[in-house]
Amino acid sequence: QQPVQSPQAVILREGEDAVINCSSSKALYSVHWYRQKHGEAPVFLMILLKGGEQKGHEKISASFNEKKQQSSLYLTASQLSYSGTYFCGTRGTSYGKLTFGQGTILTVHP
Amino acid sequence: DAGVTQSPTHLIKTRGQQVTLRCSPKSGHDTVSWYQQALGQGPQFIFQYYEEEERQRGNFPDRFSGHQFPNYSSELNVNALLLGDSALYLCASSLAGGHGETQYFGPGTRLLVL
Repeated sequence: QQPVQSPQAVILREGEDAVINCSSSKALYSVHWYRQKHGEAPVFLMILLKGGEQKGHEKISASFNEKKQQSSLYLTASQLSYSGTYFCGTRGTSYGKLTFGQGTILTVHP
Repeated sequence: DAGVTQSPTHLIKTRGQQVTLRCSPKSGHDTVSWYQQALGQGPQFIFQYYEEEERQRGNFPDRFSGHQFPNYSSELNVNALLLGDSALYLCASSLAGGHGETQYFGPGTRLLVL
């Protein structure tokens, strides 16, 4: 079953923060976050494995709540380059298909 | 370090025709997954190949078939094309047993069926 992302869209000014949520009704082994710009392929941001770890990548970090089967992506001090569609991909086992959410469109204005 | 490559970048076909898309994985990767992405949607899993075998398959009809070669590259074949097959086809490569089997996407092939 497809994970549910919220919000569907968010508009920011440069320097503002945003949180994107990903929720699954199934038990998850891992959550994978990607950013896709218009006309381009999804670019891998980070992976979170079950265990409730939190990871960071520059000003972008994420958490995974295994008990709630939820993950959140945190974007702080947003930059124009953060604009794009963010997808979470989930997996119930250690390998195989990723099931993607419907995406969250993030727009950062100067 | 070469990333995932795909060919062709764009393709126009008519209904009923057949198409073959190609993918070369990232250096050091041995697993290839194929996804279909319709406009405004997230990627949908078609199948995954590992050790030249189909390891897992999504909910796509038998018109969609694939192959993996000994050098780990892969092909996706679609027969009897329908208008609804128009989409961006993405190939993703990963290393079996690697950290979370992270998948890295290629640039995609945009298929238009007329």
